This record gives sequence, structure tokens and C-alpha cells, in this order.
Amino acid sequence: QVQLQEAGPGLVKPSETLSLICTVSGGSVSSGSYYWSWIRQPPGKGLEWIGYVYYTGGTNYNPSLKSRLSMSVDTSKNQFSLKLISVTAADTAVYYCARAQWGRWFDAWGQGTVVTVSS
Amino acid sequence: QSALTQPASVSGSPGQSITISCTGTSSDVGGYNYVSWYQQHPGKAPKLMIYDVSNRPSGVSNRFSGSKSDNTASLTISGLQAEDEADYYCSSYTSSTTLVFGGGTKLTVL
Repeated sequence: QVQLQEAGPGLVKPSETLSLICTVSGGSVSSGSYYWSWIRQPPGKGLEWIGYVYYTGGTNYNPSLKSRLSMSVDTSKNQFSLKLISVTAADTAVYYCARAQWGRWFDAWGQGTVVTVSS
Repeated sequence: QSALTQPASVSGSPGQSITISCTGTSSDVGGYNYVSWYQQHPGKAPKLMIYDVSNRPSGVSNRFSGSKSDNTASLTISGLQAEDEADYYCSSYTSSTTLVFGGGTKLTVL
């Protein structure tokens, strides 16, 4: 049974960079069937797809975040990561990492990590 | 990309059936049979309930079913149970090879 676990700072200052890592266990990020994704949920609001990274390093991002976003994968550590620059209070959310099968549906999720943007 | 449109809330009594709609465009819901549905209880991560419009993952009750007509997908829950009370989200693949979620629907079991 694959498990995903997010890690990173819970508090980020405005204008700084939000960095998160997702560690995958019980499965391999090198599997060609999956796209490794980030999804966020602002307090009291709905889910927003942020983007995904493939094991080759290929990426696809939400157009609304693309200019501030980068994702990468580390197959040697079985991890993938998210960097979001120039954050504002609007980036405050629970951030989930998830596995998207064939890039179409999310069949495994991390427990989520709360990130607050505040000075 | 615009979020898919879902009703903010639906409700039903135990044993009844309810349907949640998810409306998009020909560039997402209407263009592909790649709609999925997720159940989220408070403080928990979402759980996959339906994928590719109408397929149920192993372990999901057959009380949950999905369908699609034109630009609108639907999730039907039959034989409502108290444990079904949760938020439900649809998601679709898009012509930009991205994914988009609906705004979410709160299901109340009366």
C-alpha cells in the first residue's frame, strides 16, 4: 500500500519561498503509470490542483500559478518537491501531495500539511 | 482555467438517493471520459470514490455510482447512510492536459 507524506515549514513569510517535499513509501516515483501531484485547500474552501511532475522530470502546472511554481522529482530518494515563490496570504492552505494515475485521477493522498503565510 | 460547477449543498434522509452534479465545458468534462469524484470528511484527506466517469475503486461501496451526459457529470449515492455526510468534489482532465476541480458540495444526511 503506497503512502505519501508531506514535509516542510508550517510558517512562511510574505514574499518568501514555500518549499515542500513529499516522500513516497510502498511504491516508486519511477513508475511510468503515475504523475506526482500537489493539491491545496485554503481554509474553508475547495480543492485546487497545483500541478504535477513525472518521473522523467516533466511538469505541468496550473496556469494561475505557473509563473511562481517549480516542481522536481528525486528518484534516488523516492521524493518529489514543490517550490512556490513570492508567496502571499492567499497561498495559506493545507497542501496535499497525491499520486495521479495516468494523470487522470488521484488514488493516493498524503495526510496534508498546513502552511500559513504570515509575518 | 475555471473551476467546475457543483451545487454548494445537497441533503437527503437515510435510505434515500441523492445526485450531485458537476458541470464543465467541452474542453474538460464534455471532452473526455476522465471525470473523478472524491469524498472528504472534516480534517481528512480526500478519498477517491469514482474514476473515469463511472468506475469504482476496489473497496468503495456500490452505493456510489457515476455518469456523464454532455458537459455534466453526476455522482449518485443510493441508500444514504450517516457516514456519507461529507464534502464531495469532482475533477476533470482538460484539453490543456491539466486537471481542474469543482467547487465542492456539502452533503448533509438529515
